[in-house]
Amino acid sequence: AQSVTQPDIHITVSEGASLELRCNYSYGATPYLFWYVQSPGQGLQLLLKYFSGDTLVQGIKGFEAEFKRSQSSFNLRKPSVHWSDAAEYFCALSTDSWGKFQFGAGTQVVVTP
Amino acid sequence: IAGITQAPTSQILAAGRRMTLRCTQDMRHNAMYWYRQDLGLGLRLIHYSNTAGTTGKGEVPDGYSVSRANTDDFPLTLASAVPSQTSVYFCASSESERGRYNEQFFGPGTRLTVL
Repeated sequence: AQSVTQPDIHITVSEGASLELRCNYSYGATPYLFWYVQSPGQGLQLLLKYFSGDTLVQGIKGFEAEFKRSQSSFNLRKPSVHWSDAAEYFCALSTDSWGKFQFGAGTQVVVTP
Repeated sequence: IAGITQAPTSQILAAGRRMTLRCTQDMRHNAMYWYRQDLGLGLRLIHYSNTAGTTGKGEVPDGYSVSRANTDDFPLTLASAVPSQTSVYFCASSESERGRYNEQFFGPGTRLTVL
């Protein structure tokens, strides 16, 4: 069965510090993975996606993610967070040929001064 | 219209009432989806449509129905609302021709409270 797990419900980080959000997946075939960000009161915006090839993918807003097949992980990183990065972040797995998604429960990121 | 619009933005509804959440996209995407977002549970798929005229059940379809009369519109109906349907509802769309490669584009959401 396919699943997406985001182990951290809530992360607090200081402005300027680095950020890493964890995502683990379970899927029997090649995983197609996405990271979305949801700012307060907003819809979801795509940060980046992984289909194949390079295991380090670059996204918008200075984010990157590394795919590790051996660990079934797709962790999101940012070297230096800004106050505007405070949001909820969702990892998603595309689960069928029609593009349906399985989402993780999300990680809430709080940025302190 | 740019992207996906949803209406209403928010609604308070008495239990037992019928409610339709509207979703319209202008990207000519074939596939559309309805999700509900609840704290600690992420987004869960309610119903989806791969193309106009077809619909399918997602993870949590009970108490909801959808229709897809044309490419642009995908309304979600609660026939008789219950308090457990209090949630934030998101509509999304994607280009289904490319299958699993496709990102989904999301609307701004509808916050529904059932009392």
